[in-house]
Amino acid sequence: SQTIHQWPATLVQPVGSPLSLECTVEGTSNPNLYWYRQAAGRGLQLLFYSVGIGQISSEVPQNLSASRPQDRQFILSSKKLLLSDSGFYLCAWIAGGPKGLAELLAKNIQYFGAGTRLSVL
Amino acid sequence: DAKTTQPPSMDCAEGRAANLPCNHSTISGNEYVYWYRQIHSQGPQYIIHGLKNNETNEMASLIITEDRKSSTLILPHATLRDTAVYYCIVRGHYNSGYALNFGKGTSLLVTP
Repeated sequence: SQTIHQWPATLVQPVGSPLSLECTVEGTSNPNLYWYRQAAGRGLQLLFYSVGIGQISSEVPQNLSASRPQDRQFILSSKKLLLSDSGFYLCAWIAGGPKGLAELLAKNIQYFGAGTRLSVL
Repeated sequence: DAKTTQPPSMDCAEGRAANLPCNHSTISGNEYVYWYRQIHSQGPQYIIHGLKNNETNEMASLIITEDRKSSTLILPHATLRDTAVYYCIVRGHYNSGYALNFGKGTSLLVTP
């Protein structure tokens, strides 16, 4: 069965410090991978997605970057954290591989990790 | 993707059915209706999805109107653990790597 791991679960970082959050998926190959952020009391905002190794698409301009060094590994980073980077960070995946549009839409189930709660002080 | 409208909050007594409505009047023919929920401080959890027919699984039932402009998620016997934010999402076209577009959802409170 497939599982998704995110760590750490909570993190407190000072403003200006670097950040590295890691997400790994097991039990599937060539998944689409996603990073979302949820600010306090707000909805989920898509930050980055990746359809393959080294392929990163950014949805919003920000202080963060993402990398996918391996097929099932997705990393969210920052060189210098801002107060506004605080929030709940969620990694997610859907099954990838060559599929037709109809099949992808019909089976577009995203699975989410447990999340990392980041507080920038 | 079609936009969805959900009530911001609902209450339900424990053991009763919880019926969560969703309007998606601009839905097009190849767009699916997905439901997720997010329990406080956890990642969203998939519940159910459908295209035009009603669907049922171990968690819930999904009723889609014949014109597909609205749907209802039914939790047949709500428990306290069903207290969560429920998201109705319509997904059709390839966009953002098939990421889901979460709105504000409905905050369901199940009371004893």
